[in-house]
Amino acid sequence: EAQVTQNPRYLITVTGKKLTVTCSQNMNHEYMSWYRQDPGLGLRQIYYSMNVEVTDKGDVPEGYKVSRKEKRNFPLILESPSPNQTSLYFCASSSPGHLAYEQYFGPGTRLTVT
Amino acid sequence: QKEVEQNSGPLSVPEGAIASLNCTYSDRGSQSFFWYRQYSGKSPELIMFIYSNGDKEDGRFTAQLNKASQYVSLLIRDSQPSDSATYLCAGAGGSSNTGKLIFGQGTTLQVKP
Repeated sequence: EAQVTQNPRYLITVTGKKLTVTCSQNMNHEYMSWYRQDPGLGLRQIYYSMNVEVTDKGDVPEGYKVSRKEKRNFPLILESPSPNQTSLYFCASSSPGHLAYEQYFGPGTRLTVT
Repeated sequence: QKEVEQNSGPLSVPEGAIASLNCTYSDRGSQSFFWYRQYSGKSPELIMFIYSNGDKEDGRFTAQLNKASQYVSLLIRDSQPSDSATYLCAGAGGSSNTGKLIFGQGTTLQVKP
C-alpha cells in the first residue's frame, strides 16, 4: 500500500528535551515536506526537500532541523523544543514537476511540549 | 506576504444542496490551485486541482478559477453528510514547480441530513 508513515503519532515532552519525528514514504517520491497545523492558522510549511541532500526552509523553520540522507526518509528534529512548538505536524511527499503540488500526507503527529 | 484567505465557517448546508466554498489569494503570480479535504482527526487529501481560468468538473465537484479576480471556488453538488469536513484551499507558492503550497485556514463544511 502506497503511504506516508510518521512516528510517533502522539508525543508529550518537556521543554528542551531533543526529539525526532520520523517520516517515511514508499512511493519513491522525490519531494518531501513538513507542515505544522495550528487552529486558525492553517497548514504552514516548515521545511521541504526536493531530493536527497537537498533541503530548504519553508515559512516557519525556526526551531526545527531536517535531513534527507535517503530518498524515503525525512526526519524532523527539534533540538530544544519549546511550548510554542506544540502543534499537529504532517509530513507529505509527492513526485517532481507539476505533480510536486499534489501531495500525499502522513497521518500526523500531535506534539505537546510542556 | 503571499496569502490565501478562506472563511473558516462553519458552512452548513442541507443534504442534497450545493455547497459553495470560496478562496481568495494575493499573489497574482500563482498559477495553480488545489483543494484538499480534511476529515476531523485525519490528514489532508487532494480532491481537486485547477491550473487554468474557468471551471473544472470531477463528479460532484467543480473547481472554478478566476485569475482576474484572484478567486477560487469549489462547488459540491448533491452534498452528502460524508462531505462534512474541512476544505483547504492552497495555491502554488513558487515558480519552477518547487512544490511549495500556501494554504488557507480552511472552511469547515457541515452537511445536515
